[in-house]
Amino acid sequence: GQQVMQIPQYQHVQEGEDFTTYCNSSTTLSNIQWYKQRPGGHPVFLIQLVKSGEVKKQKRLTFQFGEAKKNSSLHITATQTTDVGTYFCAGSYGQNFVFGPGTRLSVLP
Amino acid sequence: GAVVSQHPSWVICKSGTSVKIECRSLDFQATTMFWYRQFPKQSLMLMATSNEGSKATYEQGVEKDKFLINHASLTLSTLTVTSAHPEDSSFYICSAPRTSKGEQFFGPGTRLTVL
Repeated sequence: GQQVMQIPQYQHVQEGEDFTTYCNSSTTLSNIQWYKQRPGGHPVFLIQLVKSGEVKKQKRLTFQFGEAKKNSSLHITATQTTDVGTYFCAGSYGQNFVFGPGTRLSVLP
Repeated sequence: GAVVSQHPSWVICKSGTSVKIECRSLDFQATTMFWYRQFPKQSLMLMATSNEGSKATYEQGVEKDKFLINHASLTLSTLTVTSAHPEDSSFYICSAPRTSKGEQFFGPGTRLTVL
């Protein structure tokens, strides 16, 4: 079946440092979505990538979709304490969505 | 943006009782809703896909007789955990896509504790 892997599982950074989480699928994706879940909260949609090689930016966040549509990354520049949370990628295979295990980010002030 | 509500936000029940959780899309219609379970510090595990007007589709390993899903209208899906046991204690979250392959809007979740 389809599997979505994410690394790293945890990341601790000092405020101001950059952060990157990587998402990999065992098979080609229709699209990929990224979500952020704050501690105690529910996942909140960040972005969707559809095209091969697509790059999208949201302020300090940069999202990339691989050429083969099997991997993706989320990069945060100059992290802030408000970036704390778990970042999930969710791969779309036709009608199915599969969530990755998430990367938990903690930011030390 | 689109809003999905869930009720109750938390519930504590005795072992053997049944618990119903409601998921509503407040400002859009959802022919499909998804039910997830999330254990502490883990990812979301899809339990089932709720389809308005037809039977739910359950993921492998999820007992359909234990987790009853009813998609009563285009804005409401319910999950009933029947004969709950302590191992059913978890965070249950629903989501609804506004378009067929679009972003998922998640409800705030229901924390179920079975004593």
